[in-house]
Amino acid sequence: GDSVTQMEGPVTLSEEAFLTINCTYTATGYPSLFWYVQYPGEGLQLLLKATKADDKGSNKGFEATYRKETTSFHLEKGSVQVSDSAVYFCALKGRASGSRLTFGEGTQLTVNP
Amino acid sequence: DAGVIQSPRHEVTEMGQEVTLRCKPISGHNSLFWYRQTMMRGLELLIYFNNNVPIDDSGMPEDRFSAKMPNASFSTLKIQPSEPRDSAVYFCASRIEVFLASETEAFFGQGTRLTVV
Repeated sequence: GDSVTQMEGPVTLSEEAFLTINCTYTATGYPSLFWYVQYPGEGLQLLLKATKADDKGSNKGFEATYRKETTSFHLEKGSVQVSDSAVYFCALKGRASGSRLTFGEGTQLTVNP
Repeated sequence: DAGVIQSPRHEVTEMGQEVTLRCKPISGHNSLFWYRQTMMRGLELLIYFNNNVPIDDSGMPEDRFSAKMPNASFSTLKIQPSEPRDSAVYFCASRIEVFLASETEAFFGQGTRLTVV
């Protein structure tokens, strides 16, 4: 079945550092890929998405590129801020899975000033 | 729109009691999802509805859990009887699903933090 694997956290960075959170997936065919962010005490919010190979999703300085050859969708940001501290979830929606989203385990990011 | 509204935000109950969690999806959204979030298991999809019909309930852990969607603007997740291992944050989410359309965003509520003692 479909699955998503994220790099283990927690991740702690200093402000303005470069961020990479790795995400790889297993799915049949060509799934859609997503990154969601969860700020403390809140529900998940869609951060960015990509629906086909080589698409790049971007939002709020974050980027992720859909790499079919490596089945990856790594999240990157060139310069993180304290306000980026949150839990980040990689997710996929398979073509045959209806509306079901399969989430990774989540990666806790803490950015220190 | 106020977004997906869940109630209560926090619930503390004794083992064996019935618990009912409520969700009001965004108006016009035709798909609704219940998720459970724990440290041990992360985010798990429990059940999802499309046009008020349960489509996939394979994530419902056991018969103690049940979910209903009597109309397009309301859903409940019930646990009876509750157990300490049910303690978690329960999220409701909704989205518009349009056949063959491009992906639409799922919007999440703020969650209900359930503690069973």
